[in-house]
Amino acid sequence: DAGVTQSPTHLIKTRGQQVTLRCSPISGHKSVSWYQQVLGQGPQFIFQYYEKEERGRGNFPDRFSARQFPNYSSELNVNALLLGDSALYLCASSPLGGGYGYTFGSGTRLTVV
Amino acid sequence: RKEVEQDPGPFNVPEGATVAFNCTYSNSASQSFFWYRQDCRKEPKLLMSVYSSGNEDGRFTAQLNRASQYISLLIRDSKLSDSATYLCVVNNPNQGGKLIFGQGTELSVKP
Repeated sequence: DAGVTQSPTHLIKTRGQQVTLRCSPISGHKSVSWYQQVLGQGPQFIFQYYEKEERGRGNFPDRFSARQFPNYSSELNVNALLLGDSALYLCASSPLGGGYGYTFGSGTRLTVV
Repeated sequence: RKEVEQDPGPFNVPEGATVAFNCTYSNSASQSFFWYRQDCRKEPKLLMSVYSSGNEDGRFTAQLNRASQYISLLIRDSKLSDSATYLCVVNNPNQGGKLIFGQGTELSVKP
C-alpha cells in the first residue's frame, strides 16, 4: 500500500512568491494535517482537515491556507513567501480526526531565497 | 513556556548503554502521549504510544506521570541504529487531532 505521498520533494522560491504543496493520504484515511518543521525544532501544527472540513488551525498567519478535496487529498498554499517560511512541510494522514494513527509523508523541503 | 519541553541534546552514548529521555507538558487536559523517532532529514515515525500504566516494547520503555505532567523514554542496550532524534508528542482531544511536538532530543550511539 502506498503511504502518504507529498509533492514536490524540494522547492526553491523567491521572497514574495506563492507556493502550493500537495499531499495524498493513505487510502481510506479521511484526516489530513499539515506541519511546519524548521531546522532544529519539532514540527509545528498548521492545519487539520477531516472529511473536507477544517478541524483545527495553528498559530500561523493568514498567508497560510489549505483545503481538502473529495478524494481526501490536500493542498497547502502559502502566499507572499518570507525567508522564515523556509522549512520542511510535513503532511500526516490518519483514519479519524483524533490524535492516534498518524502517518507522516516524507515532506516538502521549501527554501525561500 | 513551550507546551512540550524535552531534555536538550545531543546525547552521545556508547553501544550497549542505557539512555533516558525526559519530557514535560504544560496542558493538564492532554490525554494522549507518544514518542516519535525522526532520522536525519526524514519524516517523524511513531515509536510508541505512552499509556498511564507504562508500557514496554522490546528495549524501549515509556512512562507517564500525569500528576507531574512528565513523560519518559528509556532505551536499553543501545544500538547504532538507535541514533536519531526522539520527539515527545502530546495530544489534547479538545484540540482534535493536533499533535504538539517537543523540540526533540538527538541521540548519537557510538561504537
